[in-house]
Amino acid sequence: EPEVTQTPSHQVTQMGQEVILRCVPISNHLYFYWYRQILGQKVEFLVSFYNNEISEKSEIFDDQFSVERPDGSNFTLKIRSTKLEDSAMYFCASSEALQGWANAGELFFGEGSRLTVL
Amino acid sequence: AQTVTQSQPEMSVQEAETVTLSCTYDTSESDYYLFWYKQPPSRQMILVIRQEAYKQQNATENRFSVNFQKAAKSFSLKISDSQLGDAAMYFCAYRSGNTDKLIFGTGTRLQVFP
Repeated sequence: EPEVTQTPSHQVTQMGQEVILRCVPISNHLYFYWYRQILGQKVEFLVSFYNNEISEKSEIFDDQFSVERPDGSNFTLKIRSTKLEDSAMYFCASSEALQGWANAGELFFGEGSRLTVL
Repeated sequence: AQTVTQSQPEMSVQEAETVTLSCTYDTSESDYYLFWYKQPPSRQMILVIRQEAYKQQNATENRFSVNFQKAAKSFSLKISDSQLGDAAMYFCAYRSGNTDKLIFGTGTRLQVFP
């Protein structure tokens, strides 16, 4: 069964360092997402990406964050200068193209990348 | 702003019994979707069941069903004939009809005892 894969599963970094989290979405999916979950808190939406551009982003997704689809398979989240509060589990997700109101576009999630900022 | 509330941090059920997980939400919109996602330990979140707000009939998927009370803004998940494999974190989520993003509740951890 096709699935979303994420690497690394866990990354430890020093505050101020750049981090890139990688995701391989399901191959025929066209919508891509990043969510994050700070320990003990809700899963929060960060950004959605379609047709090589951001389609929606949250207030969390500030200039420190960027996303990219550098080739036909990977979808990356970059944090330019990590802060302590960026420590969280980051989930990538993908879905097929939306077809209107009737298709809510089921999201398929990866297992997550745990980021620890020291 | 829309919010999703899961008031039960943990629930437990005996194998083969029925359990109901609660979820309430707040929105002023009329077009939206509601979801229950399951996250087993160290595994990815998977969709359990989906409900379109415009549908009055409650969604069912095998042993999983919902009680969707639109006026009360309540969306509970019932798991019948619970199995050990049902043990997981369950997240209730809301999605507006005109946006990509899911808004999640804090989750309910379900334990299933043999």
